[in-house]
Amino acid sequence: TQLLEQSPQFLSIQEGENLTVYCNSSSVFSSLQWYRQEPGEGPVLLVTVVTGGEVKKLKRLTFQFGDARKDSSLHITAAQPGDTGLYLCAGATGGGGNKLTFGTGTQLKVEL
Amino acid sequence: GAVVSQHPSRVICKSGTSVKIECRSLDFQATTMFWYRQFPKQSLMLMATSNEGSKATYEQGVEKDKFLINHASLTLSTLTVTSAHPEDSSFYICSAREPGLNYGYTFGSGTRLTVV
Repeated sequence: TQLLEQSPQFLSIQEGENLTVYCNSSSVFSSLQWYRQEPGEGPVLLVTVVTGGEVKKLKRLTFQFGDARKDSSLHITAAQPGDTGLYLCAGATGGGGNKLTFGTGTQLKVEL
Repeated sequence: GAVVSQHPSRVICKSGTSVKIECRSLDFQATTMFWYRQFPKQSLMLMATSNEGSKATYEQGVEKDKFLINHASLTLSTLTVTSAHPEDSSFYICSAREPGLNYGYTFGSGTRLTVV
């Protein structure tokens, strides 16, 4: 069974602070995705990383895929209350169409 | 972009009854759809992979006779929770992948099931 461990599990910070969320596994993934989920809604895709060592930026969010494609990180700069939500990493094995294995999740709360 | 519609968004049912949840791909055809279950403040757990025209593939520990999945067309998959009990209360989410996009998983907005 492939497991994706996220840390921290919960994070409560003030507006303007920076933070990093980690997603770690002992398994190799062909791609890794990051999602954000609001209460009562389905997850919304933020980014997909495919190549080991790849770094992608989405405004204040920076995503990195580990060289060995077993881990990933999400860094948020100058967090805002609108960043509040459940952040989930998800790994895919093999080609497109394969099932995703979701990480344990990181609940982020950004306060004014 | 791809849109997946899930219905109903909320449902309350009595113990012992069955509930059907629909998942539709609105602007693309999906040969494969996925059903997840999520408990409060927890991550998504894959229940089963729904395959158009064939039997669903269930994850270990998921009762296939309790969670019936039907994928009769390329745009519709249904999950039926049979003989529901309070412990089946949860948030159920479906997803589908748009063909041609290797990493394009789109999720429905989820169904909150409460069994009383």
